[in-house]
Amino acid sequence: TAGITQAPTSQILAAGRSMTLRCTQDMRHNAMYWYRQDLGLGLRLIHYSNTAGTTGKGEVPDGYSVSRANTDDFPLTLASAVPSQTSVYFCASTNPRGGQETQYFGPGTRLLVL
Amino acid sequence: AQSVTQLDSQVPVFEEAPVELRCNYSSSVSVYLFWYVQYPNQGLQLLLKYLSGSTLVKGINGFEAEFNKSQTSFHLRKPSVHISDTAEYFCAPETGTGFQKLVFGTGTRLLVSP
Repeated sequence: TAGITQAPTSQILAAGRSMTLRCTQDMRHNAMYWYRQDLGLGLRLIHYSNTAGTTGKGEVPDGYSVSRANTDDFPLTLASAVPSQTSVYFCASTNPRGGQETQYFGPGTRLLVL
Repeated sequence: AQSVTQLDSQVPVFEEAPVELRCNYSSSVSVYLFWYVQYPNQGLQLLLKYLSGSTLVKGINGFEAEFNKSQTSFHLRKPSVHISDTAEYFCAPETGTGFQKLVFGTGTRLLVSP
């Protein structure tokens, strides 16, 4: 199995443009997450979904939107990119077990907003 | 709200030396505690986790961590490191709200040199 795939691997984006980061998992996990990783700040949760059809806001949701139309896919959209959204974005998934579960991470998308 | 502190941003060490990476968390509620590792240009993967029971937890690649409730710490140790252990290590307590939301520390970069 592939686990979690993310696309694109990297992208340079002009400020003001929109972009969708794709995330697909083949483990039939109910829960999915989007994080951003910035130097000195660790990983911060942007949005999450605990099952298909539902989403929730994380620590840093502003400027981002998500949808969860099915179990496998969890795209992250930047409607109008700004330079502060330059970051490495990670998608993760798990099957909820009351907080004990392991999260599985994708390889990441490096985004540079100019 | 749960918070976590990783006291060292970078730890340089020679190969075959012991190492300890420190992690302290806030103690508002009983938590599950995780250590994740990120090798260069990769996503995160689980190193070990404390759920309950024995306070000494063993993980992959010879790492172990000790849960200390009175000191609210969950320090990671390895008695003899290898060059291949060079990576970034993240401590992550679970917030304990039912649906898993990990709070990641800012990370400690372990640099192992020959």
